[in-house]
Amino acid sequence: AQKVTQAQTEISVVEKEDVTLDCVYETRDTTYYLFWYKQPPSGELVFLIRRNSFDEQNEISGRYSWNFQKSTSSFNFTITASQVVDSAVYFCALSDGPGANSKLTFGKGITLSVRP
Amino acid sequence: EPEVTQTPSHQVTQMGQEVILRCVPISNHLYFYWYRQILGQKVEFLVSFYNNEISEKSEIFDDQFSVERPDGSNFTLKIRSTKLEDSAMYFCASGSGRNTGELFFGEGSRLTVL
Repeated sequence: AQKVTQAQTEISVVEKEDVTLDCVYETRDTTYYLFWYKQPPSGELVFLIRRNSFDEQNEISGRYSWNFQKSTSSFNFTITASQVVDSAVYFCALSDGPGANSKLTFGKGITLSVRP
Repeated sequence: EPEVTQTPSHQVTQMGQEVILRCVPISNHLYFYWYRQILGQKVEFLVSFYNNEISEKSEIFDDQFSVERPDGSNFTLKIRSTKLEDSAMYFCASGSGRNTGELFFGEGSRLTVL
């Protein structure tokens, strides 16, 4: 069975601090995809990034970076120089396979508060 | 930018009443989904829909739930007889199928069952 664990529940930082959100996953699939979604106070879910199980290259996109470690089944997300607008709930998610119609298993989410 | 739209944004209903939540997916997408999020909890998969039929459903999606794509644009979730525990935020999502899991979510419909 698929499982996503986000051990942190709430993180509070001061603006401009770096913050890392942890995600650990479990799957028996050899091919799978990992995602991060952001849920701002307005409630919608915003797609941030997708990574497949064959691509362990870490990525930086502006202030965001991701660290995928297959050996430890972790897919961590870092925000550099955080801003108040980053305040949201962040969900890590795992798909159940490579097909086009794959359902997502979400973690419980991490509430990030960035104080000015 | 194309988006998924959902109506209503909030609905309050009495236990036992029927509720229909509506979604307009992105127009060229082929895969449609409903997820739900009970307040403060994680987002859970309910059902996926492709080619005018259910592809997969979770154990949450029992006989009280149904989905339909009545025309070329709308995708609906019906709850036949609501229970208190159906109170949640319901998210519709659509995907093109080209990038697995790159789903576009609507803003959600909050259902409150009294």
